Amino acid sequence: GIQVEQSPPDLILQEGANSTLRCNFSDSVNNLQWFHQNPWGQLINLFYIPSGTKQNGRLSATTVATERYSLLYISSSQTTDSGVYFCAVKAAGNKLTFGGGTRVLVKP
Amino acid sequence: ETGVTQSPTHLIKTRGQQVTLRCSSQSGHNTVSWYQQALGQGPQFIFQYYREEENGRGNFPPRFSGLQFPNYSSELNVNALELDDSALYLCAGGPGLNTGELFFGEGSRLTVL
Repeated sequence: GIQVEQSPPDLILQEGANSTLRCNFSDSVNNLQWFHQNPWGQLINLFYIPSGTKQNGRLSATTVATERYSLLYISSSQTTDSGVYFCAVKAAGNKLTFGGGTRVLVKP
Repeated sequence: ETGVTQSPTHLIKTRGQQVTLRCSSQSGHNTVSWYQQALGQGPQFIFQYYREEENGRGNFPPRFSGLQFPNYSSELNVNALELDDSALYLCAGGPGLNTGELFFGEGSRLTVL
């Protein structure tokens, strides 16, 4: 099955800093989503981005499907950005395959 | 607001018991899928239902079963609970079979003692 790798596994930021999270996947996909999981376990949809670039406030994402990677940019980070960020992809078939996540801690 | 709600939020069972977790999704979510998330890991696909029939299954034993109802609600049943079944169980709703954005509920945290 498809493999999804996220990097870095852990990220510590000072409030106000910018960062880039990366997601590499091993096969062609028809669905790619970025999620933020809060401390209570809720997966919050950030982007549905099988290809191209999208922006939502301080967050933006780019997926280069031909090169099998996606990037999530966090600008001017805030303490509320802390949590785990997951990339998940769907290849042929019906299941989302998740990466291992990037654990982000933003310090005040 | 994702349009997907789950119950119960937390529950404790003992090994060997059976559990039923419930999910309610909004109109238009024709697919419902269930995921298991162990502590410190990403969610793992259990199975998906489309129009009340199972439409794909991950690497989980038959004691994990499900139902989808016409009113966009769903159940996950787990029989003969094992200690390793302790996890966060997530339900996701989506519009179609192989494409479209998935929306997750808040999860049901199961502890097996």
